[in-house]
Amino acid sequence: TQLLEQSPQFLSIQEGENLTVYCNSSSVFSSLQWYRQEPGEGPVLLVTVVTGGEVKKLKRLTFQFGDARKDSSLHITAAQTGDTGLYLCAGGNDMRFGAGTRLTVKP
Amino acid sequence: NAGVTQTPKFRILKIGQSMTLQCAQDMNHNYMYWYRQDPGMGLKLIYYSVGAGITDKGEVPNGYNVSRSTTEDFPLRLELAAPSQTSVYFCASSYSELDRPISGNTIYFGEGSWLTVV
Repeated sequence: TQLLEQSPQFLSIQEGENLTVYCNSSSVFSSLQWYRQEPGEGPVLLVTVVTGGEVKKLKRLTFQFGDARKDSSLHITAAQTGDTGLYLCAGGNDMRFGAGTRLTVKP
Repeated sequence: NAGVTQTPKFRILKIGQSMTLQCAQDMNHNYMYWYRQDPGMGLKLIYYSVGAGITDKGEVPNGYNVSRSTTEDFPLRLELAAPSQTSVYFCASSYSELDRPISGNTIYFGEGSWLTVV
């Protein structure tokens, strides 16, 4: 079983601050995905990282896949209140999810 | 654009009752999944299916059953409901070439079904 551990579990910051959340495993993944979930809705895919060391940018969000393909990080620059939500990483042959990081951005 | 459709949206069950959560997708996806999400937590995989007639257990299959008689439908059956099954249930689907790993393919989720067992 390929387990994904996310940290921190909760994060509360002020608008305009930067933040990084992490997704770690002791297993190698062929790819990892990041999803964002808003209250009352299902998760929505943000990005898929495939190559070790890969960096992908989505506006203010920067995603990195570790060189060994065992971990990934999500960095948000100048967070906005609209970034509030649950950030989930997922991967593995049966598409399991980490427990998520619940981000709150205060105005 | 229907995507993944789940019914019912909300349901209250008494302990020991049974029910079926319906899920249908119109994207011709071969993979389908059922996840549960407890309050403030991530998603746990209950069952998944790689195609019609094939199902596999996920992390937390106990107390649930599934079937996949068609590509479009993947119902989740709860037998003898227990309070521990109070949760939000998400059905999802994705497409993968048969000789390719499913990881890396976008999973599309339904809007969720809120189930309370009292």
